[in-house]
Amino acid sequence: DAGVIQSPRHEVTEMGQEVTLRCKPISGHNSLFWYRQTMMRGLELLIYFNNNVPIDDSGMPEDRFSAKMPNASFSTLKIQPSEPRDSAVYFCASSLGSEDTQYFGPGTRLTVL
Amino acid sequence: SQQGEEDPQALSIQEGENATMNCSYKTSINNLQWYRQNSGRGLVHLILIRSNEREKHSGRLRVTLDTSKKSSSLLITASRAADTASYFCATDASNYQLIWGAGTKLIIKP
Repeated sequence: DAGVIQSPRHEVTEMGQEVTLRCKPISGHNSLFWYRQTMMRGLELLIYFNNNVPIDDSGMPEDRFSAKMPNASFSTLKIQPSEPRDSAVYFCASSLGSEDTQYFGPGTRLTVL
Repeated sequence: SQQGEEDPQALSIQEGENATMNCSYKTSINNLQWYRQNSGRGLVHLILIRSNEREKHSGRLRVTLDTSKKSSSLLITASRAADTASYFCATDASNYQLIWGAGTKLIIKP
């Protein structure tokens, strides 16, 4: 298996623009997690899906952030409109079950100017 | 929120030496995990230790868990340049949520 795939790897955009981050989890995994990592706040869980259903989105910072999982092999995290404070590395992770080892993608480094 | 606190924040040692990193946490746990993150990469799972285990080995890695002190240690023996990375502990806050520490940055000098 190729592991968790994320795209793009790097994204530079201007404040106010819409940003869409994409994730393909490992085939057969039913849990998917979106994280944000910054120097100041470390690794934060943004949202957790189980069997394509959002279970916990309490970590989503504000309404500008939204996430979808239309099927078992694809998820998106959208920021609209983006702001400079959204600059961070965004990771997607998947696991076989909710309590199993999480496998991380390589991350998307987002820079909002 | 971050429950785990790793220490030291940074560690620099010579290749071949052993590296020890510690993690403390606040609440009861079912298990504790250690992950490695190479610069610019995602996190890679290293080892999981359950609350009823005291010690676990995996290759050059040795993890201990002291639930009475709410602490864990990760020992890397005979360090190599490739071990240069940040190391994070994560504890289970619920059946899906992990609470992450801030990480220890390990530098192995050749």
